[in-house]
Amino acid sequence: QKEVEQDPGPLSVPEGAIVSLNCTYSNSAFQYFMWYRQYSRKGPELLMYTYSSGNKEDGRFTAQVDKSSKYISLFIRDSQPSDSATYLCAMRIDYGGATNKLIFGTGTLLAVQP
Amino acid sequence: NAGVTQTPKFQVLKTGQSMTLQCAQDMNHEYMSWYRQDPGMGLRLIHYSVGAGITDQGEVPNGYNVSRSTTEDFPLRLLSAAPSQTSVYFCASSYFEGPLHFGNGTRLTVT
Repeated sequence: QKEVEQDPGPLSVPEGAIVSLNCTYSNSAFQYFMWYRQYSRKGPELLMYTYSSGNKEDGRFTAQVDKSSKYISLFIRDSQPSDSATYLCAMRIDYGGATNKLIFGTGTLLAVQP
Repeated sequence: NAGVTQTPKFQVLKTGQSMTLQCAQDMNHEYMSWYRQDPGMGLRLIHYSVGAGITDQGEVPNGYNVSRSTTEDFPLRLLSAAPSQTSVYFCASSYFEGPLHFGNGTRLTVT
């Protein structure tokens, strides 16, 4: 079993829809949670960065962390064709500044249809 | 501000050849790392470095060597390429407590 599980999709939605992307994990020691967006033939770029449980909002994007269920989500409101990309979740334990090793999900491919 | 720069963008090797993938960052990040990305496998850590002169193995280190002589540069060496090393390779850097910043990758094919 992988430490981080993510549905690969593809997920196809109409423009303007609310998108929900999810990851589950098995290591209860994970404390830092991230969402990256990766366009085709590009490197991943950071979307959201959260510590421990709770919600974080940035424009049309909301990240949620539920540590009791070992479940994280990314919501995209008013989705746009430019949101079409692969979304990767990533997480790590608190290394106390000694390193920064991330564990990634496999990514979910999202297509927003105009 | 260039961020993380990887060269070359594309490379085709024959089995047994060697090559070095270059990575440079201009953000004064202490931490640098190499990942490979394969369909259905996600990003897997190959090697990482917590500072100049210090490197360690990640999840899939076999067949790869690294060194870090400066803060800015972290090259990845393939000593004897194999078809199983066909992949997209990403270099990433960060401060220890911050998010990773990625380059745009090197697409490697080994025939």
